Amino acid sequence: AQKVTQAQTEISVVEKEDVTLDCVYETRDTTYYLFWYKQPPSGELVFLIRRNSFDEQNEISGRYSWNFQKSTSSFNFTITASQVVDSAVYFCALSEVNYGGATNKLIFGTGTLLAVQP
Amino acid sequence: ETGVTQTPRHLVMGMTNKKSLKCEQHLGHNAMYWYKQSAKKPLELMFVYNFKEQTENNSVPSRFSPECPNSSHLFLHLHTLQPEDSALYLCASSQDRTVYGYTFGSGTRLTVV
Repeated sequence: AQKVTQAQTEISVVEKEDVTLDCVYETRDTTYYLFWYKQPPSGELVFLIRRNSFDEQNEISGRYSWNFQKSTSSFNFTITASQVVDSAVYFCALSEVNYGGATNKLIFGTGTLLAVQP
Repeated sequence: ETGVTQTPRHLVMGMTNKKSLKCEQHLGHNAMYWYKQSAKKPLELMFVYNFKEQTENNSVPSRFSPECPNSSHLFLHLHTLQPEDSALYLCASSQDRTVYGYTFGSGTRLTVV
């Protein structure tokens, strides 16, 4: 069965510190997609990144970077030089792709609340 | 503005009331979803619609009744709710293949008194 585990419930850091949010997933499929979403206090979930299972290249976007390792079934998210505006709940999610068409839903982790103190 | 609009943003209702939540998207997506987000709990998928047809109902109590008149609109009709139904209700849409992920609305914060 599919499962996404975010073991860190809450993380608190001081501004300018680097922080890594962990995500471990379980799936039997060889083809799947992984996502990260950010949920600021306003409520909506904002898409950050999508990664397919065949692309293990790490990605960097500004202060954000993602480390995908199939060997450990992990898709970790690092924020460099954190800022107060990074305070939010971050969700990791998994979507399997079945032959003949993709499934119609994402499986979410329980989220990690990141608090960045000034 | 995310492309998915939910109204109202906040709703307080009594247990005997009937109310409806509305979700609208003009992204050309084919699938729409209702999620419930309670405090200290993971996102719970409630309903999935694909091309207006309901494809999933995750054992949601009948006091929640979804309606999808077209691919752009999704409603959640509420009646005789319980206080434990108080939560953030999130609507999302996607292409019919979730390889592209979801676009979420800002949610409706529901309080049942």
